[in-house]
Amino acid sequence: ETGVTQSPTHLIKTRGQQVTLRCSSQSGHNTVSWYQQALGQGPQFIFQYYREEENGRGNFPPRFSGLQFPNYSSELNVNALELDDSALYLCASNTGSPTSTDTQYFGPGTRLTVL
Amino acid sequence: AQSVSQHNHHVILSEAASLELGCNYSYGGTVNLFWYVQYPGQHLQLLLKYFSGDPLVKGIKGFEAEFIKSKFSFNLRKPSVQWSDTAEYFCAVIKAAGNKLTFGGGTRVLVKP
Repeated sequence: ETGVTQSPTHLIKTRGQQVTLRCSSQSGHNTVSWYQQALGQGPQFIFQYYREEENGRGNFPPRFSGLQFPNYSSELNVNALELDDSALYLCASNTGSPTSTDTQYFGPGTRLTVL
Repeated sequence: AQSVSQHNHHVILSEAASLELGCNYSYGGTVNLFWYVQYPGQHLQLLLKYFSGDPLVKGIKGFEAEFIKSKFSFNLRKPSVQWSDTAEYFCAVIKAAGNKLTFGGGTRVLVKP
């Protein structure tokens, strides 16, 4: 167990809808990163939050947005869902500042299916 | 932009065979390197990591990896696999002082009893 939980486990939405995915990190994990893992591929970096501010973004459009809260929880919001958004969404957290020396601890993921 | 290549998508082995999984990355600067494993139905978890020092890194469960800077490689090895090593293995790279972890496409390893 990594101490990182995600909800819901599975979700089915239709094109054009909006979705919110949630992540709860361990106490003291000030940095949270979100990844999209399409079937048969490795995780792709969406963005990272540090102390409630966005701290870097991958090649994802603005309809992917996030929030981080003081209680070590965070959200990933996706607007105007497209079929290609179907994937496993992973959050990962680490202690302290977002330096590359900190191990990221991954949650179990949320499986999103867009019909 | 940095990228990570894992040469084998699927590997099938018998127990006690040796395993080597290839990983190459494309960034020319200083990097930190990771191997993650995802056992069936479980979270991604860290097997080992390299930041600096001895390029031969030992991780959990008998795995090791060797960083060869001149070849931009970080290959994972295990001398004798067990059925419980059946999993998907991901190589990942991050620029030193960076915040974006870039993963390879993964290698599915099936160990036959």
